[in-house]
Amino acid sequence: QQQVKQSPQSLIVQKGGIPIINCAYENTAFDYFPWYQQFPGKGPALLIAIRPDVSEKKEGRFTISFNKSAKQFSLHIMDSQPGDSATYFCAASGAGTYKYIFGTGTRLKVLA
Amino acid sequence: ETGVTQTPRHLVMGMTNKKSLKCEQHLGHNAMYWYKQSAKKPLELMFVYSLEERVENNSVPSRFSPECPNSSHLFLHLHTLQPEDSALYLCASSQDAGVFAGELFFGEGSRLTVL
Repeated sequence: QQQVKQSPQSLIVQKGGIPIINCAYENTAFDYFPWYQQFPGKGPALLIAIRPDVSEKKEGRFTISFNKSAKQFSLHIMDSQPGDSATYFCAASGAGTYKYIFGTGTRLKVLA
Repeated sequence: ETGVTQTPRHLVMGMTNKKSLKCEQHLGHNAMYWYKQSAKKPLELMFVYSLEERVENNSVPSRFSPECPNSSHLFLHLHTLQPEDSALYLCASSQDAGVFAGELFFGEGSRLTVL
């Protein structure tokens, strides 16, 4: 119940493509869903986050889609660039807790 | 210095050595965390400190010993480690560890290799 399942494990797209990374959770107490971006040799950094009261959130080229009934959320990267090549982690957190449950990560490579 | 800084960035140690990892946050946050990052596994929460008090010890073996002397500094003392402890150890901080932690700010990590 505490897992967040992330797929795919790795992804290669051409520049300008729209990579999509999916995450699924089981615990309905989760109410905060962030995505973290990690470049090689760096720590993860918050990219975008969503709460379940909305179905979509956009920040620049990054969009989270949220399906509460299916308990799934996904990250879309519009007009992807080689500089977006990184590992992306989804996570979930519940009210009243500092604990984040992270997915296993997706290594994205955007070809020039 | 800004953000969260970790030292050393790389550490190689034998199974009988004793070493320490250091983390310092310059963000004025009240909570600090140690995470373990291994390939193809989720980030694994090890310890959480809130206002210098340990609030989480996530079933971590006693060969890992945390220390939080103040809200800006966090240490991870290592002794008699096993090769399977080789990983990237990430320190993070957040504004609080109470009702809602908020955004986690990570350091760049300490890459540990146990021979």
